[in-house]
Amino acid sequence: NAGVTQTPKFQVLKTGQSMTLQCAQDMNHNSMYWYRQDPGMGLRLIYYSASEGTTDKGEVPNGYNVSRLNKREFSLRLESAAPSQTSVYFCASREGTGYGYTFGSGTRLTVV
Amino acid sequence: LAKTTQPISMDSYEGQEVNITCSHNNIATNDYITWYQQFPSQGPRFIIQGYKTKVTNEVASLFIPADRKSSTLSLPRVSLSDTAVYYCLVGDMEYSTLTFGKGTMLLVSP
Repeated sequence: NAGVTQTPKFQVLKTGQSMTLQCAQDMNHNSMYWYRQDPGMGLRLIYYSASEGTTDKGEVPNGYNVSRLNKREFSLRLESAAPSQTSVYFCASREGTGYGYTFGSGTRLTVV
Repeated sequence: LAKTTQPISMDSYEGQEVNITCSHNNIATNDYITWYQQFPSQGPRFIIQGYKTKVTNEVASLFIPADRKSSTLSLPRVSLSDTAVYYCLVGDMEYSTLTFGKGTMLLVSP
């Protein structure tokens, strides 16, 4: 089983450029999440989708947008990248409340 | 959501038992306690979850006292591959999200 697949694994952007981080899960999970992790920090929630067709802001949503394309896919878009968005981005999914998260392997993004 | 406090780091040697304690004084009646493990360059991995008393699986044990204001993750006979960051999370299962703190960096030496 692939679990949660994130693409790309690495990306370098120039300030002001835009890009979309892709995430797909093959476990038929209802909920999907985007987190960022900065050095020495825990994970901070950017956006989440509790179920197909819904999205909600997390702790640090500014500068990001998301799309729950279907039950499998949840993308994160940076419209105008800033150096402060340099981070490792993790996508996660879970079947529903009360169940553990399954995380992807992350996208390491550098904005110069 | 209940706030958690856990040590920033811990050191151990191969073959020892490691206990990582997490404080959550404001835990609510409906909150569960969940632990995750994160290796470098990987996403966190679910280890164990519990509500009260003791929970055991093939990886770890989770001890929760009667007042539930703290919990202890116990890793038996650690190996070098157990070197990782361990996160304690507390949350109501009805909520859609959980909050990850900074975790505990466990370093296992030969």
